[in-house]
Amino acid sequence: DTEVTQTPKHLVMGMTNKKSLKCEQHMGHRAMYWYKQKAKKPPELMFVYSYEKLSINESVPSRFSPECPNSSLLNLHLHALQPEDSALYLCASSQIGVGGNQPQHFGDGTRLSIL
Amino acid sequence: DQQVKQNSPSLSVQEGRISILNCDYTNSMFDYFLWYKKYPAEGPTFLISISSIKDKNEDGRFTVFLNKSAKHLSLHIVPSQPGDSAVYFCAASDGNNRLAFGKGNQVVVIP
Repeated sequence: DTEVTQTPKHLVMGMTNKKSLKCEQHMGHRAMYWYKQKAKKPPELMFVYSYEKLSINESVPSRFSPECPNSSLLNLHLHALQPEDSALYLCASSQIGVGGNQPQHFGDGTRLSIL
Repeated sequence: DQQVKQNSPSLSVQEGRISILNCDYTNSMFDYFLWYKKYPAEGPTFLISISSIKDKNEDGRFTVFLNKSAKHLSLHIVPSQPGDSAVYFCAASDGNNRLAFGKGNQVVVIP
Protein backbone atom coordinates (compact mmCIF):
# COMPACT_ATOMS: atom_id res chain seq x y z
CA ASP A 1 0.00 0.00 0.00
CA THR A 2 1.24 3.42 -0.95
CA GLU A 3 1.72 6.01 1.80
CA VAL A 4 0.97 8.82 -0.63
CA THR A 5 -2.74 8.96 -1.34
CA GLN A 6 -4.14 10.60 -4.46
CA THR A 7 -7.77 11.34 -5.24
CA PRO A 8 -9.60 10.85 -7.46
CA LYS A 9 -8.10 7.81 -9.20
CA HIS A 10 -9.81 8.73 -12.46
CA LEU A 11 -11.15 12.06 -13.72
CA VAL A 12 -12.88 12.93 -16.96
CA MET A 13 -13.48 16.61 -17.61
CA GLY A 14 -14.39 18.96 -20.41
CA MET A 15 -12.11 21.74 -21.59
CA THR A 16 -14.17 24.41 -19.79
CA ASN A 17 -14.40 22.63 -16.43
CA LYS A 18 -12.56 23.44 -13.23
CA LYS A 19 -11.43 20.52 -11.13
CA SER A 20 -8.78 19.73 -8.52
CA LEU A 21 -6.47 16.80 -7.88
CA LYS A 22 -5.59 16.05 -4.28
CA CYS A 23 -2.57 14.42 -2.68
CA GLU A 24 -1.98 13.57 0.97
CA GLN A 25 0.95 12.09 2.88
CA HIS A 26 1.48 11.47 6.58
CA MET A 27 5.14 10.52 6.57
CA GLY A 28 6.28 13.91 7.83
CA HIS A 29 7.87 14.72 4.49
CA ARG A 30 8.45 18.41 3.82
CA ALA A 31 8.96 18.21 0.04
CA MET A 32 6.09 17.39 -2.30
CA TYR A 33 5.99 17.06 -6.07
CA TRP A 34 3.66 16.90 -9.05
CA TYR A 35 4.64 14.87 -12.10
CA LYS A 36 2.91 14.25 -15.43
CA GLN A 37 3.32 10.92 -17.18
CA LYS A 38 2.15 10.17 -20.71
CA ALA A 39 1.74 6.59 -21.95
CA LYS A 40 5.04 4.72 -22.42
CA LYS A 41 7.02 7.77 -21.28
CA PRO A 42 8.87 8.49 -18.03
CA PRO A 43 7.39 10.86 -15.42
CA GLU A 44 8.10 14.54 -16.07
CA LEU A 45 8.44 16.97 -13.17
CA MET A 46 5.93 19.83 -13.01
CA PHE A 47 6.22 21.44 -9.56
CA VAL A 48 8.18 21.09 -6.33
CA TYR A 49 7.10 22.39 -2.93
CA SER A 50 9.63 22.65 -0.15
CA TYR A 51 8.39 23.54 3.34
CA GLU A 52 5.02 24.48 1.80
CA LYS A 53 6.65 27.00 -0.56
CA LEU A 54 6.80 26.58 -4.31
CA SER A 55 10.48 26.06 -5.13
CA ILE A 56 10.38 24.71 -8.70
CA ASN A 57 7.96 25.35 -11.55
CA GLU A 58 9.13 23.60 -14.70
CA SER A 59 7.54 26.18 -17.02
CA VAL A 60 4.13 24.60 -16.60
CA PRO A 61 1.20 26.40 -18.33
CA SER A 62 -0.91 28.54 -16.01
CA ARG A 63 -3.97 26.34 -16.57
CA PHE A 64 -2.27 24.12 -13.93
CA SER A 65 -2.21 25.81 -10.53
CA PRO A 66 -0.59 24.05 -7.57
CA GLU A 67 -1.38 24.70 -3.94
CA CYS A 68 0.13 23.40 -0.71
CA PRO A 69 -2.30 24.23 2.14
CA ASN A 70 -0.17 22.47 4.77
CA SER A 71 2.73 20.07 5.09
CA SER A 72 0.54 17.01 4.44
CA LEU A 73 -1.56 18.20 1.53
CA LEU A 74 -0.87 19.12 -2.07
CA ASN A 75 -3.49 20.15 -4.60
CA LEU A 76 -3.37 20.70 -8.34
CA HIS A 77 -6.12 22.99 -9.63
CA LEU A 78 -7.10 22.49 -13.25
CA HIS A 79 -8.85 24.97 -15.51
CA ALA A 80 -9.38 25.19 -19.27
CA LEU A 81 -7.27 22.14 -20.00
CA GLN A 82 -6.50 20.88 -23.49
CA PRO A 83 -6.88 17.32 -24.83
CA GLU A 84 -3.08 16.96 -24.84
CA ASP A 85 -3.16 17.38 -21.05
CA SER A 86 -4.71 13.92 -20.76
CA ALA A 87 -2.18 11.88 -18.77
CA LEU A 88 -1.41 10.22 -15.47
CA TYR A 89 -0.67 12.83 -12.79
CA LEU A 90 1.58 11.59 -10.04
CA CYS A 91 2.20 13.10 -6.65
CA ALA A 92 5.35 12.32 -4.67
CA SER A 93 6.89 13.31 -1.37
CA SER A 94 10.29 13.10 0.25
CA GLN A 95 12.22 14.12 3.31
CA ILE A 96 14.47 17.09 2.87
CA GLY A 97 17.99 15.86 3.54
CA VAL A 98 21.41 17.40 3.30
CA GLY A 99 22.03 18.08 -0.38
CA GLY A 100 18.46 17.04 -1.16
CA ASN A 101 19.35 13.37 -1.69
CA GLN A 102 16.33 11.55 -0.39
CA PRO A 103 14.13 9.08 -2.30
CA GLN A 104 10.79 10.33 -3.52
CA HIS A 105 7.76 8.19 -2.73
CA PHE A 106 4.92 8.20 -5.23
CA GLY A 107 1.18 7.86 -5.08
CA ASP A 108 -0.74 5.74 -7.58
CA GLY A 109 -1.73 8.77 -9.61
CA THR A 110 -4.87 10.30 -11.07
CA ARG A 111 -5.71 9.23 -14.61
CA LEU A 112 -7.00 12.42 -16.26
CA SER A 113 -8.93 12.47 -19.53
CA ILE A 114 -9.86 15.73 -21.22
CA LEU A 115 -12.81 15.59 -23.61
CA ASP B 1 18.03 15.85 -24.68
CA GLN B 2 17.64 12.74 -22.56
CA GLN B 3 20.04 12.77 -19.62
CA VAL B 4 19.20 9.27 -18.38
CA LYS B 5 19.10 6.42 -20.89
CA GLN B 6 17.85 2.89 -20.54
CA ASN B 7 18.44 0.75 -23.60
CA SER B 8 17.03 -2.73 -24.26
CA PRO B 9 13.42 -1.80 -23.47
CA SER B 10 12.42 -5.34 -22.46
CA LEU B 11 14.03 -8.27 -20.68
CA SER B 12 12.77 -11.82 -20.19
CA VAL B 13 14.41 -14.00 -17.55
CA GLN B 14 13.73 -17.40 -16.04
CA GLU B 15 12.57 -17.52 -12.43
CA GLY B 16 15.54 -17.99 -10.09
CA ARG B 17 18.05 -16.49 -12.52
CA ILE B 18 19.64 -13.04 -12.37
CA SER B 19 18.05 -9.96 -13.98
CA ILE B 20 20.46 -7.18 -14.94
CA LEU B 21 19.20 -3.76 -15.93
CA ASN B 22 21.50 -1.06 -17.25
CA CYS B 23 21.34 2.71 -17.18
CA ASP B 24 23.62 5.41 -18.60
CA TYR B 25 23.62 9.11 -17.79
CA THR B 26 25.20 12.16 -19.34
CA ASN B 27 25.04 14.84 -16.65
CA SER B 28 28.22 14.92 -14.55
CA MET B 29 26.37 16.85 -11.84
CA PHE B 30 24.18 13.85 -10.96
CA ASP B 31 25.20 12.58 -7.53
CA TYR B 32 22.28 10.39 -6.45
CA PHE B 33 20.74 7.54 -8.39
CA LEU B 34 17.60 5.53 -7.81
CA TRP B 35 15.68 2.60 -9.21
CA TYR B 36 11.91 2.41 -9.20
CA LYS B 37 9.56 -0.44 -10.05
CA LYS B 38 6.16 0.22 -11.59
CA TYR B 39 3.20 -2.12 -11.94
CA PRO B 40 0.32 -1.21 -14.28
CA ALA B 41 -2.21 1.18 -12.71
CA GLU B 42 0.15 1.96 -9.81
CA GLY B 43 2.67 4.68 -9.14
CA PRO B 44 6.43 4.02 -9.17
CA THR B 45 7.69 2.22 -6.07
CA PHE B 46 11.12 3.12 -4.74
CA LEU B 47 13.47 0.11 -4.76
CA ILE B 48 17.02 1.14 -4.01
CA SER B 49 19.35 4.11 -4.32
CA ILE B 50 23.04 4.89 -4.37
CA SER B 51 25.06 8.00 -3.67
CA SER B 52 27.93 8.95 -5.96
CA ILE B 53 30.41 8.40 -3.12
CA LYS B 54 29.69 4.66 -3.27
CA ASP B 55 30.07 2.08 -6.01
CA LYS B 56 27.71 -0.56 -4.65
CA ASN B 57 24.60 -0.73 -2.52
CA GLU B 58 22.76 -3.90 -1.63
CA ASP B 59 19.28 -4.47 -0.20
CA GLY B 60 18.11 -8.06 -0.08
CA ARG B 61 17.78 -9.40 -3.61
CA PHE B 62 18.55 -6.01 -5.15
CA THR B 63 22.03 -4.61 -5.74
CA VAL B 64 22.89 -1.40 -7.55
CA PHE B 65 26.37 -0.83 -8.98
CA LEU B 66 27.68 2.60 -9.97
CA ASN B 67 30.60 3.27 -12.30
CA LYS B 68 31.09 7.04 -12.20
CA SER B 69 33.90 7.14 -14.73
CA ALA B 70 31.68 5.39 -17.27
CA LYS B 71 28.54 7.25 -16.14
CA HIS B 72 26.84 3.88 -15.86
CA LEU B 73 24.79 2.09 -13.27
CA SER B 74 23.14 -1.28 -13.16
CA LEU B 75 20.53 -3.06 -11.08
CA HIS B 76 20.93 -6.75 -10.31
CA ILE B 77 17.98 -8.78 -9.08
CA VAL B 78 18.84 -12.23 -7.84
CA PRO B 79 17.06 -14.56 -7.68
CA SER B 80 14.35 -13.20 -9.97
CA GLN B 81 10.78 -13.95 -8.94
CA PRO B 82 7.52 -13.77 -10.93
CA GLY B 83 6.43 -10.79 -8.77
CA ASP B 84 9.40 -8.87 -10.13
CA SER B 85 7.66 -8.63 -13.51
CA ALA B 86 7.19 -4.87 -13.91
CA VAL B 87 8.63 -1.79 -15.58
CA TYR B 88 11.86 -0.57 -13.96
CA PHE B 89 12.87 3.09 -14.12
CA CYS B 90 16.33 4.43 -13.50
CA ALA B 91 16.40 8.00 -12.11
CA ALA B 92 19.10 10.51 -11.23
CA SER B 93 19.29 13.70 -9.21
CA ASP B 94 21.79 16.54 -8.91
CA GLY B 95 20.66 17.29 -5.36
CA ASN B 96 18.10 20.00 -6.13
CA ASN B 97 15.03 17.73 -5.78
CA ARG B 98 14.74 17.27 -9.53
CA LEU B 99 14.64 13.65 -10.71
CA ALA B 100 15.46 12.79 -14.31
CA PHE B 101 13.99 9.45 -15.35
CA GLY B 102 14.96 6.98 -18.02
CA LYS B 103 12.28 5.55 -20.33
CA GLY B 104 12.03 2.30 -18.38
CA ASN B 105 12.71 -1.40 -18.94
CA GLN B 106 9.94 -4.00 -19.03
CA VAL B 107 11.03 -7.12 -17.12
CA VAL B 108 9.16 -10.39 -17.51
CA VAL B 109 10.07 -13.24 -15.16
CA ILE B 110 9.04 -16.60 -16.56
CA PRO B 111 7.96 -19.17 -13.94
